Amino acid sequence: AQTVTQSQPEMSVQEAETVTLSCTYDTSENNYYLFWYKQPPSRQMILVIRQEAYKQQNATENRFSVNFQKAAKSFSLKISDSQLGDTAMYFCAFMKGGSNYKLTFGKGTLLTVNP
Amino acid sequence: EAQVTQNPRYLITVTGKKLTVTCSQNMNHEYMSWYRQDPGLGLRQIYYSMNVEVTDKGDVPEGYKVSRKEKRNFPLILESPSPNQTSLYFCASSFSSGAGIETQYFGPGTRLLVL
Repeated sequence: AQTVTQSQPEMSVQEAETVTLSCTYDTSENNYYLFWYKQPPSRQMILVIRQEAYKQQNATENRFSVNFQKAAKSFSLKISDSQLGDTAMYFCAFMKGGSNYKLTFGKGTLLTVNP
Repeated sequence: EAQVTQNPRYLITVTGKKLTVTCSQNMNHEYMSWYRQDPGLGLRQIYYSMNVEVTDKGDVPEGYKVSRKEKRNFPLILESPSPNQTSLYFCASSFSSGAGIETQYFGPGTRLLVL
C-alpha cells in the first residue's frame, strides 16, 4: 500500500516571500501521479499542480512549482511570491497509474501567509 | 459550467436515521469517488465507481453504501449513521483521456454531524 507523509503540520511565511512544503511517499510502483491540492477556509479542494512520474521535468504552474525527486520519493511544493490568498491547508496526494484512480492523501500542511 | 455538486452541504442528524448524500457531475466522467476528511487524517476513500453499475470499496467502506445507476449520479447512503461518521465528505469525478489519468474534480463538500 502507498503512503504519503507531510512532515510539516503547520508553516508560515511572509507575504511576497518563498516557501517550500515537503512531501515524501512510499511506493513500489513505477507508474504513478503526484498532486498538490489546496483547501482554503471554504473547504473546497482545488488542484494546484500535478506531476507524472515518468516525466523528469518538474511541473510548474505560475507561482507554484515542484521539486520531484523520484529516487528519493520526494515531491515538494514551492510557492513563490506568496500571497494572502495562498493561506490554506495543502495536501500532497499519490495516485497509482492504471488503477482505480484512488488518491492517497497526506495529512496536510496548514500554510499561513502573514501580511 | 463544469462542476460536481453535492447535496446537502450541511446536515445534522441522529444516530440510526438513514440518510443519503447526493453527488452529481455534468462532465460525463466515468469515474466517481467518495472521500471523507477527518482532522489529522487527511482524506480517505470510502467507495469508488469506474462506470455505471460498477462500484467497489475504498479504504474505509464500513457503514456506507453507494449506487451508480446513472453516469452522472453517485449517491452515498448511510443506512444507520453513527457518531463516528461525523465528518466532511467529498465527492470527486474524473476520466481517463488515453494519455493518462486526468485530474479529479471535487465537489464542495458535505459537512455531516451525527448526534
